[in-house]
Amino acid sequence: EAGVVQSPRYKIIEKKQPVAFWCNPISGHNTLYWYRQNLGQGPELLIRYENEEAVDDSQLPKDRFSAERLKGVDSTLKIQPAELGDSAVYLCASSPASGPYNEQFFGPGTRLTVL
Amino acid sequence: QKEVEQNSGPLSVPEGAIASLNCTYSDRGSQSFFWYRQYSGKSPELIMSIYSNGDKEDGRFTAQLNKASQYVSLLIRDSQPSDSATYLCAVNPGGGSYIPTFGRGTSLIVHP
Repeated sequence: EAGVVQSPRYKIIEKKQPVAFWCNPISGHNTLYWYRQNLGQGPELLIRYENEEAVDDSQLPKDRFSAERLKGVDSTLKIQPAELGDSAVYLCASSPASGPYNEQFFGPGTRLTVL
Repeated sequence: QKEVEQNSGPLSVPEGAIASLNCTYSDRGSQSFFWYRQYSGKSPELIMSIYSNGDKEDGRFTAQLNKASQYVSLLIRDSQPSDSATYLCAVNPGGGSYIPTFGRGTSLIVHP
């Protein structure tokens, strides 16, 4: 079974530039998460999707971040414009369940560096 | 603010010893608990989940849950150098929210 796929793996941009990350979850997983992980910290949720619907986006900085999950499969997370503080690893995860027993499977992440 | 606390370590144990990793959480209504392993520069990998009080064993790993005391622990028996990693505790709160809160992780070093 293929795992969660993310691209790109690494991205270096100048501040104020836009950037986008792509995620393809495990086949059949309806729940998709985007996390941000800073060095020495645990992942922090940005947004959670159930199929096409964003069911929790309270932690997403909506002035510069946007996300979509068309057709309930692939998802894209965008930052525009990027700031220095956005440098982090952006992780996508998927889960076969939406309830409390939501074991999550993570993709390899995208390491973003904003200069 | 729902809190998940872990000692950041590093926890250093000799090869073959038992490594004990602990996690406490603030939300008494929390329903499910997960341990993830994260190697340096890699993404988290699920190793254990536990939902009810008591012990759950899987190979060399044992998860222990005590809801009354609000802690969950992970024991690694016969620790190997390949177990050296950061171990993240994740807790699903109660109240119908299924957004896990992650601790900052405990760094484990297993030395030969």
